[in-house]
Amino acid sequence: QTVVTQEPSFSVSPGGTVTLTCGLTSGSVSTNHYPSWYQQTPGQAPRTLIYSTNTRSSGVPDRFSGSILGNKAALTITGAQADDESDYCCVLYVGSGIWVFGGGTKLTVL
Amino acid sequence: QVQLVESGGGVVQPGESLRLSCAASGFTLSSYGIHWVRQAPGKGLEWVAFIHIDGTSKSHADSVKGRFTISRDSSKSTLFLQMTSLRAEDTAVYHCVKDGGYYSFDYWGQGTLVTVSS
Repeated sequence: QTVVTQEPSFSVSPGGTVTLTCGLTSGSVSTNHYPSWYQQTPGQAPRTLIYSTNTRSSGVPDRFSGSILGNKAALTITGAQADDESDYCCVLYVGSGIWVFGGGTKLTVL
Repeated sequence: QVQLVESGGGVVQPGESLRLSCAASGFTLSSYGIHWVRQAPGKGLEWVAFIHIDGTSKSHADSVKGRFTISRDSSKSTLFLQMTSLRAEDTAVYHCVKDGGYYSFDYWGQGTLVTVSS
């Protein structure tokens, strides 16, 4: 069974930079997993931030960027703002029409 | 604009069945793949099922395979999730989600709550 890992929580200071990661318990994440990232605030449907590793969705500020760092996918927020405080979730395509979400990272901006 | 509106959720007992619907507007349902994604209370998102643009290719997560079936009626712009043999661990908000291409998800519905409890 494929398990996608994310940090349960992270904190960043306003104006700071934070990198959240998305890994696999077995193996490395690559561009072939087409990692995508979603922002979710309580009571709201998720918002797409990044798809296909590093492509920003329409309307997403350029302070959000995606990449592969080592053996994980990464979401970097540069110049964090108060309203970036949310849950961030990644999802990987693992083949054969199957997607697997990570458990999500709760980001605190303080 | 693109809208996805789920319905059909409710409270059922373990072992019972339920059919969720998702009404799509603002785009042509038969031109896109569609997913069901769920979120249990206090938990993260879980991908459940996908129906390909061709309407015949389907995939389901192992946790629901053999119990849930995704389908669509393009003439009515409606997506369905037939759920049988429901378990307590199926309790979640179920979202239908338009496939965004590049194996991503773009537009999300607000979801419908399914509670499985005796």
